[in-house]
Amino acid sequence: GQQLNQSPQSMFIQEGEDVSMNCTSSSIFNTWLWYKQDPGEGPVLLIALYKAGELTSNGRLTAQFGITRKDSFLNISASIPSDVGIYFCAGSTSGTYKYIFGTGTRLKVLA
Amino acid sequence: GAVVSQHPSWVICKSGTSVKIECRSLDFQATTMFWYRQFPKQSLMLMATSNEGSKATYEQGVEKDKFLINHASLTLSTLTVTSAHPEDSSFYICSAPRVDEQYFGPGTRLTVT
Repeated sequence: GQQLNQSPQSMFIQEGEDVSMNCTSSSIFNTWLWYKQDPGEGPVLLIALYKAGELTSNGRLTAQFGITRKDSFLNISASIPSDVGIYFCAGSTSGTYKYIFGTGTRLKVLA
Repeated sequence: GAVVSQHPSWVICKSGTSVKIECRSLDFQATTMFWYRQFPKQSLMLMATSNEGSKATYEQGVEKDKFLINHASLTLSTLTVTSAHPEDSSFYICSAPRVDEQYFGPGTRLTVT
């Protein structure tokens, strides 16, 4: 099945550092969602983006909907140990609820 | 946020048997639900769209006779893995849309021995 390219694939950072990850697609999307998944659990929605250029924050998390509508970015500021997990982007085209998922970014935070 | 539940959370079955997994939207109605499969250290792959009152639509490469989907009500979709084999062992996750957002269940880990 189709997947979005997400980078980096994995990151090891020190507690307190900022984190950036992005997701790119060959297709145009109308909605971008960002999720975090802990081992053995389902993904939990972090941020939803609906318009090109939109910048949305959720606490220490900020995500942006790229103006080309083919990419999205997620930033985490001042990382803490509980930020550890796998982050997925997901994109959807207009009129459907079907989402294509990114390949995931595995984040590890060193205390 | 909305709540989606799955049952069971994990199941072990023998090769050749069938397993049913339930997905429920607890505080909202969902005419459409989605089933994903996730292999270890991989992303979620959409398997099929479950439609209340009509047949499910399957993604390319997913065998509809092997993965039976029934959307029995506005809050319940079931996925039955028929004649399971070890290669079907995976993490199965359902989701349901509410407004423009997708909410995921906690997943069901299937192990076929």
